[in-house]
Amino acid sequence: QVQLQESGPGLVKPSETLSLTCTVSGGSISSYYWSWIRQPPGKGLEWIGYIYYSGSTNYNPSLKSRVTISIDTSKNQFSLKLSSVTAADTAVYYCARLKGGYCSVGFCYSFDYWGQGTLVTVSS
Amino acid sequence: DIVLTQSPGTLSLSPRERATLSCRASQSVGSSYLAWYQQKPGQAPRLLIYGASSRATGIPDRFSGSGSGTDFTLTISRLEPEDFAVYYCQQYGSSPTFGGGTKVEIK
Repeated sequence: QVQLQESGPGLVKPSETLSLTCTVSGGSISSYYWSWIRQPPGKGLEWIGYIYYSGSTNYNPSLKSRVTISIDTSKNQFSLKLSSVTAADTAVYYCARLKGGYCSVGFCYSFDYWGQGTLVTVSS
Repeated sequence: DIVLTQSPGTLSLSPRERATLSCRASQSVGSSYLAWYQQKPGQAPRLLIYGASSRATGIPDRFSGSGSGTDFTLTISRLEPEDFAVYYCQQYGSSPTFGGGTKVEIK
């Protein structure tokens, strides 16, 4: 059973860089896309970006200028850096696996495994 | 970006009733790119439906998905106590997006 676990500081000061790591266990990080998704308190879900095990990335256009996602296949980990944070970046941050595979209607994509989430608060 | 609009915002129903949740896209979404998730308080979302109508592993058959183009539906045939939660639709395009969610609450 694949498990994902987020780790990193729970408090970040405004204008600084938020850094989180997701450790994948119970399966290889290879051959999948790995994603970061966030959820402000009491609000909905926002996709931040994803990285393929090869290192190619795709970011939410609204966050692209501030986001970097990287991967370390030797450690089965991938990471998120979000720069110049403000209070609006306060959220629960989830890592998730984006799985692609053949289904009844073609080639399907969905986020099939999620970490438990970690709350990051931006405050001085 | 494709905007997903879910309705209603809140659905108040009793156990054993049928729930019908709607997800409308601002432009056509390939059926293979539409998924549904369930989220309970303090928990991560859980994948229910992918490819618009395929149930994820371990999901009971009272959950079903349908639709195509810009209109998709999640149906829970008979609500069980554990089904009261928030449900999100999501599309995978060049930039994945989620709907705003529908809360299914106990009437």
